[in-house]
Amino acid sequence: DVVMTQTPLSLPVSLGDQASISCRSSQSLVHSNGNTYLHWYLQKPGQSPKLLIYKVSNRFSGVPDRFSGSGSGTDFTLKISRVEAEDLGVYFCSQSTHVPPFTFGSGTKLEIK
Amino acid sequence: EVQLQQSGTVLARPGASVKMSCKASGYTFTSYWMHWVKQRPGQGLEWIGAIYPGNSDTSYNQKFKGKAKLTAVTSTSTAYMELSSLTNEDSAVYYCTRKAGEDYFDYWGQGTTLTVSS
Repeated sequence: DVVMTQTPLSLPVSLGDQASISCRSSQSLVHSNGNTYLHWYLQKPGQSPKLLIYKVSNRFSGVPDRFSGSGSGTDFTLKISRVEAEDLGVYFCSQSTHVPPFTFGSGTKLEIK
Repeated sequence: EVQLQQSGTVLARPGASVKMSCKASGYTFTSYWMHWVKQRPGQGLEWIGAIYPGNSDTSYNQKFKGKAKLTAVTSTSTAYMELSSLTNEDSAVYYCTRKAGEDYFDYWGQGTTLTVSS
């Protein structure tokens, strides 16, 4: 199974700051078809996860442009420019290149400093 | 509008079985894989398995084979997950989620909370 490792586990930030979350996979997430199936989800307190970014860098419908994803191979990053209060919660990376099983990172909790 | 409406909170005894549901609306139920994900309190997300309602094809995480059974009823656009031989380790929130064609989970249910306790 592909292991997804996120850092940091907790990220205290001030509103308006930039935040950066790292996700590393135990093997390359480049599929034989050339696509990289690395996605990011946000779970706000008391809610179900919501898709933010798919295939490394594509924002899902309705996701603000202050969210951006980048990376390749085994190393990926989610950046949030100008953190807002509504961005607080737990961020998960996930891979769907080498399935089954689909696997998720352990999560990064974005909280107010 | 795509919606996944899950059944309510369940309290069950150790050793029992439970069946929870996920009713889909706003899209063609038979055209998308429906996946199930487990989240223990304060923990991460764990993929259980998936079903394709169009032909009832299933795929399971090896860890959950024998524990979870996925079914779907197309006439009501409802997916089901049955969990058997319950233990405390099965206490968790269970989500159903639709997989889009590009292999990401684009819509999620609100979750069903299962508590296993004697």
